[in-house]
Amino acid sequence: AQSVTQPDIHITVSEGASLELRCNYSYGATPYLFWYVQSPGQGLQLLLKYFSGDTLVQGIKGFEAEFKRSQSSFNLRKPSVHWSDAAEYFCAVGRYNFNKFYFGSGTKLNVKP
Amino acid sequence: EAEVAQSPRYKITEKSQAVAFWCDPISGHATLYWYRQILGQGPELLVQFQDESVVDDSQLPKDRFSAERLKGVDSTLKIQPAELGDSAMYLCASSLSAVGTGNTEAFFGQGTRLTVV
Repeated sequence: AQSVTQPDIHITVSEGASLELRCNYSYGATPYLFWYVQSPGQGLQLLLKYFSGDTLVQGIKGFEAEFKRSQSSFNLRKPSVHWSDAAEYFCAVGRYNFNKFYFGSGTKLNVKP
Repeated sequence: EAEVAQSPRYKITEKSQAVAFWCDPISGHATLYWYRQILGQGPELLVQFQDESVVDDSQLPKDRFSAERLKGVDSTLKIQPAELGDSAMYLCASSLSAVGTGNTEAFFGQGTRLTVV
């Protein structure tokens, strides 16, 4: 069965510090990979996506993510976190020719001033 | 910018009552998804439409939940009767085609927060 794991439930970083949120998946085939962000009480906004090609993808709001096939990972990074980045982040994984995609359980990011 | 519209944003209902949520996807999007998100968890797919047809409703509790997309555009999700455990955020998303069938992504609405009392 397919699964998406976000091992960190909560992360707290200081404003200006770097950030890395982890995502691991269990698929045999080439995955379609997404990161979404959700502010409290709101819907999900797409930060970035990976379908193929360059394994380092750039997204909105200064975020980037790197697909590492050997580690089945798609970790989200930001070099310098802003207080407005405090939110919940979800990794989602789909599979080519398989019309579903699955979400991880999310990582809640707190930003200290 | 085109958006997925959902209404209402918030709904409080009593246990055993009926409740309905509405979703209008981005124009031209053939695929429509309904997700349920319990507080502190990731979204869980309830039902997926391709145009007016249900593609996947394997996780939809069919004894009390129903969904339709009659003309392949907007969609309604209904719960009857509502139970306390149905309290959650209900999210609608749409995409040009199903995620995984091409280089496509899903766009989400703001969601409907349901509280059953």
